[in-house]
Amino acid sequence: NAGVTQTPKFRILKIGQSMTLQCAQDMNHNYMYWYRQDPGMGLKLIYYSVGAGITDKGEVPNGYNVSRSTTEDFPLRLELAAPSQTSVYFCASTQGLAGDPGLTDTQYFGPGTRLTVL
Amino acid sequence: QKEVEQNSGPLSVPEGAIASLNCTYSDRGSQSFFWYRQYSGKSPELIMFIYSNGDKEDGRFTAQLNKASQYVSLLIRDSQPSDSATYLCAVKRARGSTLGRLYFGRGTQLTVWP
Repeated sequence: NAGVTQTPKFRILKIGQSMTLQCAQDMNHNYMYWYRQDPGMGLKLIYYSVGAGITDKGEVPNGYNVSRSTTEDFPLRLELAAPSQTSVYFCASTQGLAGDPGLTDTQYFGPGTRLTVL
Repeated sequence: QKEVEQNSGPLSVPEGAIASLNCTYSDRGSQSFFWYRQYSGKSPELIMFIYSNGDKEDGRFTAQLNKASQYVSLLIRDSQPSDSATYLCAVKRARGSTLGRLYFGRGTQLTVWP
């Protein structure tokens, strides 16, 4: 299994441009998450999904959109990029029991996308 | 008050020593606690989790949980230079209420010198 994969690894955007960060997992996990990590900071949740067709906002959703049309894929869309969106973005997934992640359900992280907005 | 707080460090210990990493959390309803290790430029990887009061050991790592004090710690025995990384504490709230969401601290940077 490849686990959680993310593309691209690096990207530089100009202010106002748009892009989609790709995330895929091959573990048949129900739950998927997008985080951003700024230097010296912990991870902040942007959006999450509990299954195909179901998404919800996390702590810092402004400026982002997501969709989940399949169990495997969870792309993150940046519209009108701003310098404040310069960060490292991590996608993660977890199995989730039927409708409810367990107490000890481990989140598996992708390798990250380093985004710079100039 | 932040959900999860950690000493940002950096924490520096000699090889072979015990490294102690601490974390406090604000929500008394939190039920499970995770320690992730993150090497520079890499993604977080799980070291261990704990959800019962007391100690849990896994090799050189011991997690300690005190729910009354809202405190969780990670001890690394016989520290090695390869343990040099940032350690993230993460907290999961009550089962079912936040759909598996983790709240992360800012991380503690650990350096183990030879």
